[in-house]
Amino acid sequence: SQTIHQWPATLVQPVGSPLSLECTVEGTSNPNLYWYRQAAGRGLQLLFYSVGIGQISSEVPQNLSASRPQDRQFILSSKKLLLSDSGFYLCAWSVAGVGEQFFGPGTRLTVL
Amino acid sequence: EDQVTQSPEALRLQEGESSSLNCSYTVSGLRGLFWYRQDPGKGPEFLFTLYSAGEEKEKERLKATLTKKESFLHITAPKPEDSATYLCAGRRSGTYKYIFGTGTRLKVLA
Repeated sequence: SQTIHQWPATLVQPVGSPLSLECTVEGTSNPNLYWYRQAAGRGLQLLFYSVGIGQISSEVPQNLSASRPQDRQFILSSKKLLLSDSGFYLCAWSVAGVGEQFFGPGTRLTVL
Repeated sequence: EDQVTQSPEALRLQEGESSSLNCSYTVSGLRGLFWYRQDPGKGPEFLFTLYSAGEEKEKERLKATLTKKESFLHITAPKPEDSATYLCAGRRSGTYKYIFGTGTRLKVLA
């Protein structure tokens, strides 16, 4: 069966510090991978998606970036965090081209 | 512009009081309407996928239905453990993106 992992679960970082969030998927090959941010009381904002290694599409211009160094690994990064980067970050995967998404447990990021 | 709108934003029910959540969508060439349950501090949990108008899916006390303009999540005789935020999303034909609504926060009182 397929499993998706995210870490860390929670993170408190000062403004201006770097960020690296990691997501890995087990039990499937060549998944589509997604990063979302969910602000309190709001819907899911798509940040990045990837249909293959090294292929990243950005949905929202900002100081975040994403990379996919391996088939089932997706990384969200920032060189300098802003207060507005605080939120709940979710990684998700889907079978390439079809069907539903499956979400990881999320990372709660607080930027102080 | 593709859009998914959920109503109501919040709903309080007594245990056993059946109701429906609404998801209206304007997604060009819809290729799937998806329902999720999200508990506080956790990632959304997949519930149902609907592809065609008239399609219905059931799981325990939940039943999802789809028309050409909206989807409903019917909750029959809910229990307190059904309390959660319910999200719906649509996927547009020809893209890999999913458009999410802002959710309905359901509270079931014992």
